[in-house]
Amino acid sequence: AQSVTQLDSQVPVFEEAPVELRCNYSSSVSVYLFWYVQYPNQGLQLLLKYLSGSTLVKSINGFEAEFNKSQTSFHLRKPSVHISDTAEYFCAVRFMNYGGSQGNLIFGKGTKLSVKP
Amino acid sequence: DADVTQTPRNRITKTGKRIMLECSQTKGHDRMYWYRQDPGLGLRLIYYSFDVKDINKGEISDGYSVSRQAQAKFSLSLESAIPNQTALYFCATSDPGLAGGLGWDEQFFGPGTRLTVL
Repeated sequence: AQSVTQLDSQVPVFEEAPVELRCNYSSSVSVYLFWYVQYPNQGLQLLLKYLSGSTLVKSINGFEAEFNKSQTSFHLRKPSVHISDTAEYFCAVRFMNYGGSQGNLIFGKGTKLSVKP
Repeated sequence: DADVTQTPRNRITKTGKRIMLECSQTKGHDRMYWYRQDPGLGLRLIYYSFDVKDINKGEISDGYSVSRQAQAKFSLSLESAIPNQTALYFCATSDPGLAGGLGWDEQFFGPGTRLTVL
């Protein structure tokens, strides 16, 4: 079965430290990859996406993620976090089914990033 | 004004009661979705609709039903609520036309409805 794994449920870090949130998916079929962010008491917002082309994608607020096909991973990184980055981050994958049809978006279980002063 | 709204924002009900959660959108998107979020489980798809006449079951549709009253409205019903349906429910919309039908249409989420079934 197709699945998305976020290895860390919680990641505490100090302000200005680097952070990596890990995401792996199960299948070797073609995929579209997404990271969503959920701030406290809000809905989810798209942070960044990988569709094709350059394997490194970046968001406007300093996050970046790299698609690694051989490791079926799409880890999210930021070199220096801020208090305002405290949120829950969800990796999501749309698997391209055999025959070319598109599956639904499958979400990981989320990683809670807590940035401490 | 929010593009995707959900009502109510919070609801406490009792086991066996019928509950309806409503979602409205002003984005003009054809596709709408209902998810539930449980701590440590991420988001799971309950139902989705690609247009008014197209409704599909998601991963966890048992115990739920939906109605797509118009392009802008998509309601989720719990016919007989049970405690394990206590969760945060999100509505989302998307427009595949924005992605040229390529499958990366961004989903836009409402603020959520927190449902507690006692």
